Amino acid sequence: QLQLQQSGPGLVKPSETLSLTCSVTGDSISTTSYYWAWIRQPPGKGPEWIGSIYYVGTTFYNPSLKSRGIISVDTSKNQFSLRLNSVTAADTAIYYCARTLGFEYFHHWGQGTVVTVSS
Amino acid sequence: QSVLTQPPSVSAAPGQRVTISCSGSSSNIGANSVSWYQQLPGTAPTLLIYDNYKRPSGIPDRFSGSKSGTSATMDITGLRTGDEADYYCGTWDDSLNSVVFGGGTKLTVL
Repeated sequence: QLQLQQSGPGLVKPSETLSLTCSVTGDSISTTSYYWAWIRQPPGKGPEWIGSIYYVGTTFYNPSLKSRGIISVDTSKNQFSLRLNSVTAADTAIYYCARTLGFEYFHHWGQGTVVTVSS
Repeated sequence: QSVLTQPPSVSAAPGQRVTISCSGSSSNIGANSVSWYQQLPGTAPTLLIYDNYKRPSGIPDRFSGSKSGTSATMDITGLRTGDEADYYCGTWDDSLNSVVFGGGTKLTVL
């Protein structure tokens, strides 16, 4: 059974870098046809796609992040990660990792990480 | 403000049917397929519908989706109190080069 387990700090200071990791169990992250994604949800708002990665390292990002985000994959550890730099209070949200069905459908989700940007 | 427009709330009685709408434009819904998600309080979203009308394994046929032009709808029949949740639509936007979501619709089962 596929499980996505997220880890990373819940509090990040303004201007610093947010770092989260999603560890995948129950399937290989190198399975073809799936993408691995990060989505966030600000308090009281709808989801926002951050970006996606294919196991070979091909990445796609939401242009609204203005190149602040970097998604990477480590196939040896069966995990993928998100780094979001120069964070502000507007980056406060619940962050989710997910595996897609196709490219744009998010089928399996992690448990979510509440990230607060505050000094 | 979300790219896709959904009604903030809908309500219906148990056993009844409810329709949730999602309005977009020619660059998103008009050109691409739509997905729908259910988010129960305090949990991650669950994919209910993809490719406009398909259901992932395990999603009951009480949930159905359709698309026409630049709008999409999802119907839920045989409403249960356990269906009370926030529902979101999503699609790809060719102009924004991004996956976009609606602002969500809160379903109340009276």
